[in-house]
Amino acid sequence: KNEVEQSPQNLTAQEGEFITINCSYSVGISALHWLQQHPGGGIVSLFMLSSGKKKHGRLIATINIQEKHSSLHITASHPRDSAVYICAVPEETSGSRLTFGEGTQLTVNP
Amino acid sequence: GAGVSQSPSNKVTEKGKDVELRCDPISGHTALYWYRQSLGQGLEFLIYFQGNSAPDKSGLPSDRFSAERTGGSVSTLTIQRTQQEDSAVYLCASSYRSSYNSPLHFGNGTRLTVT
Repeated sequence: KNEVEQSPQNLTAQEGEFITINCSYSVGISALHWLQQHPGGGIVSLFMLSSGKKKHGRLIATINIQEKHSSLHITASHPRDSAVYICAVPEETSGSRLTFGEGTQLTVNP
Repeated sequence: GAGVSQSPSNKVTEKGKDVELRCDPISGHTALYWYRQSLGQGLEFLIYFQGNSAPDKSGLPSDRFSAERTGGSVSTLTIQRTQQEDSAVYLCASSYRSSYNSPLHFGNGTRLTVT
């Protein structure tokens, strides 16, 4: 079973700050997912990546396969970015079950 | 539809009753997943479908839980003889192939409350 650790668990920032959320996992993977869960509960897939870096708007995700580590960055953070950010990795032997990190609660204050 | 659709959005039921939760995945998505999230907790895997078959149903918490998928599309999660500990948000997600290589698309969930 892959162990997935996220840090920090909670993060409070001021609007405009650069945010970094980290995710480490224990077993080599084919892909890693970053998800966003808003207070209402809805979950949105932000990125799926297996190497390098992806960018979407103010969000950037990077992954280092050798170090088994991924980061999610938010540039010019905004209060609407306040949400729980979750990284998840597939368990290779389980037919695609995901192992989830505990999530990072981000609060961006105006 | 454009996204994953779940119904009902909310369900309140009495302990001991059976409930059915429905998920309509995105058209063409072969993989379908059920998760649940108890209050303040993380996501818990329940079952995974690839087409109509369920190669991984190891997350179902007891034999009161069952799920099926027909026509490679709609899935139904059934909970028999509901218990209070079944209260949670039940989330469905679909992906084009699998989470190994395709992004997940989540529905808005069904909030189940067992009284």
